[in-house]
Amino acid sequence: GDSVTQMEGPVTLSEEAFLTINCTYTATGYPSLFWYVQYPGEGLQLLLKATKADDKGSNKGFEATYRKETTSFHLEKGSVQVSDSAVYFCALSTGGTSYGKLTFGQGTILTVHP
Amino acid sequence: EADIYQTPRYLVIGTGKKITLECSQTMGHDKMYWYQQDPGMELHLIHYSYGVNSTEKGDLSSESTVSRIRTEHFPLTLESARPSHTSQYLCASSGVQVTDTQYFGPGTRLTVL
Repeated sequence: GDSVTQMEGPVTLSEEAFLTINCTYTATGYPSLFWYVQYPGEGLQLLLKATKADDKGSNKGFEATYRKETTSFHLEKGSVQVSDSAVYFCALSTGGTSYGKLTFGQGTILTVHP
Repeated sequence: EADIYQTPRYLVIGTGKKITLECSQTMGHDKMYWYQQDPGMELHLIHYSYGVNSTEKGDLSSESTVSRIRTEHFPLTLESARPSHTSQYLCASSGVQVTDTQYFGPGTRLTVL
């Protein structure tokens, strides 16, 4: 079945540091890939997405590129802020019998210190 | 801006009570979902619906039930709450394409004593 694996957390960084959160996936067919963010006490918000190979999703300084050859969708940001502290989830959706349902990774806690 | 609402935000109840968690969306989405989020953050799909009068069980077995009588409304009911039901419950909705974004509500944090 489909699966998503995120790098082990938590991740702790100083403000203005470079961020990478690794995400790899296993899926049948051609999935769409998503990064969601969850701030304390809130639901999930879409951060960015990519729907086909080599697409780059970007938002709020975050970027991720859909790499079909390595089945990866790593999240990056050049300079993190304290306000980026949150939980980040990588996810995919596919067609077939799982049509449109999201498969999530386990989540990565990011803490940014001033 | 996504408009999906959940009530209550927080609920503390005793064992054996019947509860209904409300979820409504104003985007006209056909697809709606319920997730259970455990303290370790992992998200588990417990119910989903592809439209009115359509409901399916998700990947994680749950004692809860759902209904979809109106497009905008997707309530979740527990007939007899137990401490093992203590969790965060998240509702989401999306369009019909596999590329469509799922929009999430703010969640209901349920505590069963």
